[in-house]
Amino acid sequence: NAGVMQNPRHLVRRRGQEARLRCSPMKGHSHVYWYRQLPEEGLKFMVYLQKENIIDESGMPKERFSAEFPKEGPSILRIQQVVRGDSAAYFCASSPWSVRVSNQPQHFGDGTRLSIL
Amino acid sequence: AQKITQTQPGMFVQEKEAVTLDCTYDTSDQSYGLFWYKQPSSGEMIFLIYQGSYDEQNATEGRYSLNFQKARKSANLVISASQLGDSAMYFCAMREDSSYKLIFGSGTRLLVRP
Repeated sequence: NAGVMQNPRHLVRRRGQEARLRCSPMKGHSHVYWYRQLPEEGLKFMVYLQKENIIDESGMPKERFSAEFPKEGPSILRIQQVVRGDSAAYFCASSPWSVRVSNQPQHFGDGTRLSIL
Repeated sequence: AQKITQTQPGMFVQEKEAVTLDCTYDTSDQSYGLFWYKQPSSGEMIFLIYQGSYDEQNATEGRYSLNFQKARKSANLVISASQLGDSAMYFCAMREDSSYKLIFGSGTRLLVRP
């Protein structure tokens, strides 16, 4: 998984609670991408962040979801007031620069499996 | 519109034989990249192989090769000499060079029989 670290690996929440998913990019990487995988589906883009900036959040639901990538520390994907439909695997990928100008693949972390009771 | 189509929900292959996993794509961009990822039952996403739209040669990485047919917009993954550990979900993905978003297909579940 090329060194992208995600935690927790599994997260269980009750409806209405908050979920916080963490992603530490590979060393030297300042670009982070979050994807969501619903059961039996491929990954879908949610948000792209650089340090302290959200570049593109077009794939993220407008309500209850937020993401940040502070100057220090991991990137956080936050889901407030979770509902059953939020149950999914959430993957993070990182790159040293915008992959728009590179043919390098995005290397993914192992993902966080979120289950909503 | 960007789209990846994987028409085989599930495939079987006998151990040591070769298998081809189909992938077709749709894009109006001239410059793009195609990727294959493997997702074993443990859930992680493992990058396998990359093909650029301007690459003349088909990409190869060990037992993996990509059969790239640009005019047909297909990028099939060929796994030679299948092993039991190849049993997994396989996803084809595309990224247009004007974007940073990976667009994934729905995946093909491969089961290697002993």
